[in-house]
Amino acid sequence: AQSVTQLGSHVSVSEGALVLLRCNYSSSVPPYLFWYVQYPNQGLQLLLKYTSAATLVKGINGFEAEFKKSETSFHLTKPSAHMSDAAEYFCAVNQEYGNKLVFGAGTILRVKS
Amino acid sequence: NAGVMQNPRHLVRRRGQEARLRCSPMKGHSHVYWYRQLPEEGLKFMVYLQKENIIDESGMPKERFSAEFPKEGPSILRIQQVVRGDSAAYFCASSPGTGVADTQYFGPGTRLTVL
Repeated sequence: AQSVTQLGSHVSVSEGALVLLRCNYSSSVPPYLFWYVQYPNQGLQLLLKYTSAATLVKGINGFEAEFKKSETSFHLTKPSAHMSDAAEYFCAVNQEYGNKLVFGAGTILRVKS
Repeated sequence: NAGVMQNPRHLVRRRGQEARLRCSPMKGHSHVYWYRQLPEEGLKFMVYLQKENIIDESGMPKERFSAEFPKEGPSILRIQQVVRGDSAAYFCASSPGTGVADTQYFGPGTRLTVL
């Protein structure tokens, strides 16, 4: 079965600093990987997804993620944090046979002014 | 183009009552997924439906929970005889096709509180 581990339930950065949110996956087949963002009391919005094309994936709001097979990682980065980036971020992998997403536990990003 | 719609946004029920959660997928989407988010946890898959068919219900509790997606109208997640442990946010997502890389678009969720 596939699984996702997000290291760090809370990450705090200063405005303008690099954002790095970590995600490691477990899958016996090439995975499809997703990053979603959730603002308070709202649904999830797709930031980006990896579908076995380019290993560096660019998403919305300046975020990007790099698929590293050797490290089984799909970390999310943004060069310069903005106050509006404060939210909870979820990494997810699509199940091997089917369409259901398996989510990590989430990382809450706090941006300090 | 309207997104995924869910109602109600907030639902309060007493123990033993029934809860009905509704989800209207995005226009043109015929695949619906339900996920549950318990406090301090990530989302957990419950059920995957296409029009008039349940494709995968491996995440649904065996008792009290049911889901449907009729030919006409929204998808319904029904919880009978609710208990306090059912308190959670329930999210619906929809996708246009069956590809494993298809993006799932999420609704705003229904927050169920059981008193």
